[in-house]
Amino acid sequence: GENVEQHPSTLSVQEGDSAVIKCTYSDSASNYFPWYKQELGKGPQLIIDIRSNVGEKKDQRIAVTLNKTAKHFSLHITETQPEDSAVYFCAANSGYSTLTFGKGTMLLVSP
Amino acid sequence: DGGITQSPKYLFRKEGQNVTLSCEQNLNHDAMYWYRQDPGQGLRLIYYSQIVNDFQKGDIAEGYSVSREKKESFPLTVTSAQKNPTAFYLCASSARTGTTKANEQFFGPGTRLTVL
Repeated sequence: GENVEQHPSTLSVQEGDSAVIKCTYSDSASNYFPWYKQELGKGPQLIIDIRSNVGEKKDQRIAVTLNKTAKHFSLHITETQPEDSAVYFCAANSGYSTLTFGKGTMLLVSP
Repeated sequence: DGGITQSPKYLFRKEGQNVTLSCEQNLNHDAMYWYRQDPGQGLRLIYYSQIVNDFQKGDIAEGYSVSREKKESFPLTVTSAQKNPTAFYLCASSARTGTTKANEQFFGPGTRLTVL
């Protein structure tokens, strides 16, 4: 089955800096890669996703890049703000509708 | 307001007792999922259902059971056979399998289960 590795496990940045979180996957058949943001005590929220037919997708301050050859994808957050502090999860699809998740990255943005 | 609701938010149970967690969605989604979240472990799939009256085991189904009698509802029972049930449980749903939106999963707010 699919295996997703996520790095780093924790990331501390200053407000205004950029943050990058990286994930690798094992199944070459995977073609959907979402990113979720989870605030303390809440359910994960889908923030951006990318499909294998594109290499990059942007939505305001966040972007995701995908390298299918190397089987890795990354989340980029620019001009970080304290409200970006949360746990971020990457995932890759396994089969028709299931997702395999990375173990998460705790992002702390200091004012 | 469309969304996914889970109840209760906090649940306490004594060892040896079964307990049922509720999950309801009004998004008209066909597929529903249950995940378990432990600190540092990410989300692990317990069970999923792609259509009413059908469900499949995920990666950690032992000690859990589900039913899918209605499209809107997918309750999870944590049985006494589950060795370490204390965790944060998340329910999710997605559109019909085979559509372009099939992989997009949307999550409820979660239920925190504590075994005393």
